[in-house]
Amino acid sequence: AAGVIQSPRHLIKEKRETATLKCYPIPRHDTVYWYQQGPGQDPQFLISFYEKMQSDKGSIPDRFSAQQFSDYHSELNMSSLELGDSALYFCASSFRGGPAPDTQYFGPGTRLTVL
Amino acid sequence: AQSVTQLDSHVSVSEGTPVLLRCNYSSSYSPSLFWYVQHPNKGLQLLLKYTSAATLVKGINGFEAEFKKSETSFHLTKPSAHMSDAAEYFCVVRGNNQGGKLIFGQGTELSVKP
Repeated sequence: AAGVIQSPRHLIKEKRETATLKCYPIPRHDTVYWYQQGPGQDPQFLISFYEKMQSDKGSIPDRFSAQQFSDYHSELNMSSLELGDSALYFCASSFRGGPAPDTQYFGPGTRLTVL
Repeated sequence: AQSVTQLDSHVSVSEGTPVLLRCNYSSSYSPSLFWYVQHPNKGLQLLLKYTSAATLVKGINGFEAEFKKSETSFHLTKPSAHMSDAAEYFCVVRGNNQGGKLIFGQGTELSVKP
């Protein structure tokens, strides 16, 4: 079965650079979530989108922005990168109109390293 | 507000012995609860979920969890551990707001000794 696709899988950036992470949800899924997992930490919710509209916002820095496009893929844009942004970034998707609307399926993650 | 607390940061068992990973939740009303597993340098895989249909939930790879409202617990168990079960396990509650964000526990690292 098709899963959530994230690209790139690994990304190395310098401080103050920008980065763009992409997420392709499971086909027919209408909701996308972004999470950040720091080293040795549990994942923390950043932001979510339903039908291309932002539906919830967590502890996302102002330097970060995200959007969901007409094909339901989502991009997380990160500017003025800091060392503390080094983390594993997960995207998850769900289908609000399906039999299990609260079940989120996670992608493999993008590991961002800021030097 | 919802939250989950995993009572053990690390659990070590011998192969073939039972596994118990403990989780307590806090929620103002009937929660949606999940267990996810994360193998080293891998993504998060859904093990099982509770959404009020049945208190005993069976998941993949022989894992199961029991929802106990009176104890506000959702412990994860497996009768016999395999070496491949060694991983980080997260107890998760779904937020009540419309966005439905997941709130993770701190995680329990399971080690399996030969």
